[in-house]
Amino acid sequence: DQQVKQNSPSLSVQEGRISILNCDYTNSMFDYFLWYKKYPAEGPTFLISISSIKDKNEDGRFTVFLNKSAKHLSLHIVPSQPGDSAVYFCAAPIYGQNFVFGPGTRLSVLP
Amino acid sequence: ETGVTQSPTHLIKTRGQQVTLRCSSQSGHNTVSWYQQALGQGPQFIFQYYREEENGRGNFPPRFSGLQFPNYSSELNVNALELDDSALYLCASSLVDQETQYFGPGTRLLVL
Repeated sequence: DQQVKQNSPSLSVQEGRISILNCDYTNSMFDYFLWYKKYPAEGPTFLISISSIKDKNEDGRFTVFLNKSAKHLSLHIVPSQPGDSAVYFCAAPIYGQNFVFGPGTRLSVLP
Repeated sequence: ETGVTQSPTHLIKTRGQQVTLRCSSQSGHNTVSWYQQALGQGPQFIFQYYREEENGRGNFPPRFSGLQFPNYSSELNVNALELDDSALYLCASSLVDQETQYFGPGTRLLVL
């Protein structure tokens, strides 16, 4: 049973445009969400998080939106840069600090 | 400040063998978690260690076991390897009251 879903395995965006990565979850007990970015041959790195008491959190070019009623969150990157090309994972805490991850979306930002 | 390191980077084993993977946590971090990432999937939580004791476990069989040492470094041991154990094994460290985890680069295990 996949509790965190990322239904788009890949996404291609032109440099300078907006990238929107989507994530859906099934467990209504989740109250905190994180996005991680992973480059090849590296471990995932923390990008941005959001608590369920908020519906938006912004950090520079990255904004995460949370729609609790729809059990949906999205990561917006604007403007997209070629260095943003990576696999992006949506995650939610389970077992305390540890996370259940989605399968990831591979973002390609084309110059 | 030293980040999370893992060794070895790559490993090839045959079915039925045993393997030990190692992780050094980020300086000052007292909690280590292990994840398995199969190809095309997100990382799956195996277990966490805090103060040298297991502090949570995911849906993995007992042949996956671990250790944490007084310096907070950790080992993941897998006995009786199966072909499906082929994956990237990630270690992540954190402080016990901190929600953000810092991942190492992983060990890629291939079981033939």
